Amino acid sequence: DTGVSQDPRHKITKRGQNVTFRCDPISEHNRLYWYRQTLGQGPEFLTYFQNEAQLEKSRLLSDRFSAERPKGSFSTLEIQRTEQGDSAMYLCASSYLEGGEEQYFGPGTRLTVT
Amino acid sequence: SQQGEEDPQALSIQEGENATMNCSYKTSINNLQWYRQNSGRGLVHLILIRSNEREKHSGRLRVTLDTSKKSSSLLITASRAADTASYFCATDDQGAQKLVFGQGTRLTINP
Repeated sequence: DTGVSQDPRHKITKRGQNVTFRCDPISEHNRLYWYRQTLGQGPEFLTYFQNEAQLEKSRLLSDRFSAERPKGSFSTLEIQRTEQGDSAMYLCASSYLEGGEEQYFGPGTRLTVT
Repeated sequence: SQQGEEDPQALSIQEGENATMNCSYKTSINNLQWYRQNSGRGLVHLILIRSNEREKHSGRLRVTLDTSKKSSSLLITASRAADTASYFCATDDQGAQKLVFGQGTRLTINP
């Protein structure tokens, strides 16, 4: 069990560019979550998947954001036409449907939009 | 939007002392969890308390839950320098799968 991994760990991009982040959950976990965290704040929910189905999306997830989990394993989060306000830490977490309610978090991807 | 507030926002104590953090939330819940986050890192799950429980212990951690007041507290006894981190409470927001986090308490343990 290697834990939840995220790639890249850091991303610097210019405003207007597209970026894509990847999350690999713990292998037997069928639920996968994306959160966004800005400096000094707690994480805010963006979206969650159960297997390959995206079951909930936050209103924070504007039409510039899209998330996929095509085979029910890894997930990608894409941000199109990035804005400076998108600068944040993007956290991925996973959990097991039959296991408890606790979520296991990855190290995060820190996005800086210049 | 965040579920509630944590108090204090920052806490600085001497090693060996006890640290108490409080969390308030707004909606009915099935459970409340506490997480720790070291600077610039991911979150680590510490403890979960269900809505029908009033107190729970895990090692040096003690959590209480008062659903009538919609509040919880986390006590860390005999603090160590390695406990320096931000601590967040998170609720399941009326049984939903997503977690709703507070703003966190930044705890500093001085050697």
